[in-house]
Amino acid sequence: ILNVEQSPQSLHVQEGDSTNFTCSFPSSNFYALHWYRWETAKSPEALFVMTLNGDEKKKGRISATLNTKEGYSYLYIKGSQPEDSATYLCAFVRNQGGKLIFGQGTELSVKP
Amino acid sequence: NAGVTQTPKFQVLKTGQSMTLQCAQDMNHEYMSWYRQDPGMGLRLIHYSVGAGITDQGEVPNGYNVSRSTTEDFPLRLLSAAPSQTSVYFCASSEKIRDRGLGYTFGSGTRLTVV
Repeated sequence: ILNVEQSPQSLHVQEGDSTNFTCSFPSSNFYALHWYRWETAKSPEALFVMTLNGDEKKKGRISATLNTKEGYSYLYIKGSQPEDSATYLCAFVRNQGGKLIFGQGTELSVKP
Repeated sequence: NAGVTQTPKFQVLKTGQSMTLQCAQDMNHEYMSWYRQDPGMGLRLIHYSVGAGITDQGEVPNGYNVSRSTTEDFPLRLLSAAPSQTSVYFCASSEKIRDRGLGYTFGSGTRLTVV
């Protein structure tokens, strides 16, 4: 059983606040770690695919870091905006691709 | 370029009926997967495929069959529908090359209700 844990489960912040979430995953046989953004009534959309220990990825105000040795990844949002409100999912891939296992997500709500 | 197309978008079944959820992608992706989304459970992997002719079980495979006769299509079959299979089903596909950094592309989902 692959346990992918995300925390917190939900987060309520004010517009302009910076925030971060955590994804924990098994550190053995690491292949890749994905982050997705999932807006209500839409489908998940890929934010980042991270493959190397120490990876840092950035897209606009959103960035992510990866530590494969200790089995965690952080997602950061700088200066949150109401349009950032969504569920943020991480997903773990062990060995060589194919089987993508998701955490339960962090639901972010940004109030104007 | 349609991406990942799922049909139907909505379906109501009676307990014991069978049906097939269709999934097709036009991006020549090797990897395809089926997930179900339930409240408080996130996305759970049902079955996945790493290429035509190759399928494997995910976290919750019972009650479902899949086949992958072509690269483009990955249908999900419900053998004898049960109320516990009421859920939203997502199909997703991806390139095999992990370092391309593109992640999975998801379909728009099929909302299934079993009564």
